[in-house]
Amino acid sequence: GQQVMQIPQYQHVQEGEDFTTYCNSSTTLSNIQWYKQRPGGHPVFLIQLVKSGEVKKQKRLTFQFGEAKKNSSLHITATQTTDVGTYFCAGHTGTASKLTFGTGTRLQVTL
Amino acid sequence: EAQVTQNPRYLITVTGKKLTVTCSQNMNHEYMSWYRQDPGLGLRQIYYSMNVEVTDKGDVPEGYKVSRKEKRNFPLILESPSPNQTSLYFCASSRSRTGAETQYFGPGTRLLVL
Repeated sequence: GQQVMQIPQYQHVQEGEDFTTYCNSSTTLSNIQWYKQRPGGHPVFLIQLVKSGEVKKQKRLTFQFGEAKKNSSLHITATQTTDVGTYFCAGHTGTASKLTFGTGTRLQVTL
Repeated sequence: EAQVTQNPRYLITVTGKKLTVTCSQNMNHEYMSWYRQDPGLGLRQIYYSMNVEVTDKGDVPEGYKVSRKEKRNFPLILESPSPNQTSLYFCASSRSRTGAETQYFGPGTRLLVL
């Protein structure tokens, strides 16, 4: 079945440093969604990418969808303590309505 | 306020005792889904529903049942819970029938099966 892996599993940065998480799918995705989950909370939708090679920005966050639509990345510039949490990617394949989540990257930010 | 609600939030039960976790959304969403979250495994989809009376299996459906008799409700049923179903469960809904839009998650239900 479809697998979606994320690396790294965990990253600890100092406030102000940049952070990137990578998402890799074993199959071509029709879209990729990104979610953030704060400790003790529920996943919160951040963004969806649909087109091959698409890049979207939200303030300090930059999201990319690979040309082959099998990988994606989330880059955070100048991290802040409010960025702490686990970041998940999730994708659909073809017209399937099943959504497969990545394994997540936990980000810890210290002063 | 637009939201997805789940009940109960915490549940301790024993092996074999049937239980139901309720999920309700007030956004008139077509798509609803259940996930379980386990350390190191991320979120795994259990079942999803694209409309009333339309449900389908996700990646880990074994040991679970669902029903979608009304648009707003999507209960998760564990007929005979086992310890390997101890997990954090999330319900989610989406406006798009295929789920290919923003998914709104409930607050989660933490289940412990002894």
